[in-house]
Amino acid sequence: AQRVTQPEKLLSVFKGAPVELKCNYSYSGSPELFWYVQYSRQRLQLLLRHISRESIKGFTADLNKGETSFHLKKPFAQEEDSAMYYCALWGRGYQKVTFGTGTKLQVIP
Amino acid sequence: EPEVTQTPSHQVTQMGQEVILRCVPISNHLYFYWYRQILGQKVEFLVSFYNNEISEKSEIFDDQFSVERPDGSNFTLKIRSTKLEDSAMYFCASGTGQSTEAFFGQGTRLTVV
Repeated sequence: AQRVTQPEKLLSVFKGAPVELKCNYSYSGSPELFWYVQYSRQRLQLLLRHISRESIKGFTADLNKGETSFHLKKPFAQEEDSAMYYCALWGRGYQKVTFGTGTKLQVIP
Repeated sequence: EPEVTQTPSHQVTQMGQEVILRCVPISNHLYFYWYRQILGQKVEFLVSFYNNEISEKSEIFDDQFSVERPDGSNFTLKIRSTKLEDSAMYFCASGTGQSTEAFFGQGTRLTVV
């Protein structure tokens, strides 16, 4: 089975402060991990994926297989970062993406 | 930039009625998905579809649900007899299969009254 856990429902930070959205996963094989973002009244958008190792909008995420984590980080939060963030996992052999419960990031001006 | 489109954006239906949610995936994609998100809850997988058949489905996707690709462009989700608990946002997604990225539509909000 594959499972994604996001322990925080809401994370409030001040503008300019560092952000870390936590994600832990459970999967027996070698997963692909993603972060999706959903801005207010908009569709789910892929933010980044671990295999591409890129930084999007200043966000990065490193896959830590030892801790089975894929935390999303940004050094300086911007107001436009306020959104719902979903960690997601694609397990090889499955034809689906499994989502975490999501964390609402609120950046306070 | 190509997008997955869903219609309608909002549908209100009476309990027991049949509804069909429509999706137009990105044209060269081969894998199609439906997800739902009950208000305040997480995005849940319903079904994946490839090569004109269901490749995987969740326990939510019971006999009341069906999917179809009636022509080369549309991908539909039918709920035969809606229940109050079917009220949710339904997202369609598609992917190439060459990467695991799924592109999502904007969603259809289904309200069962």
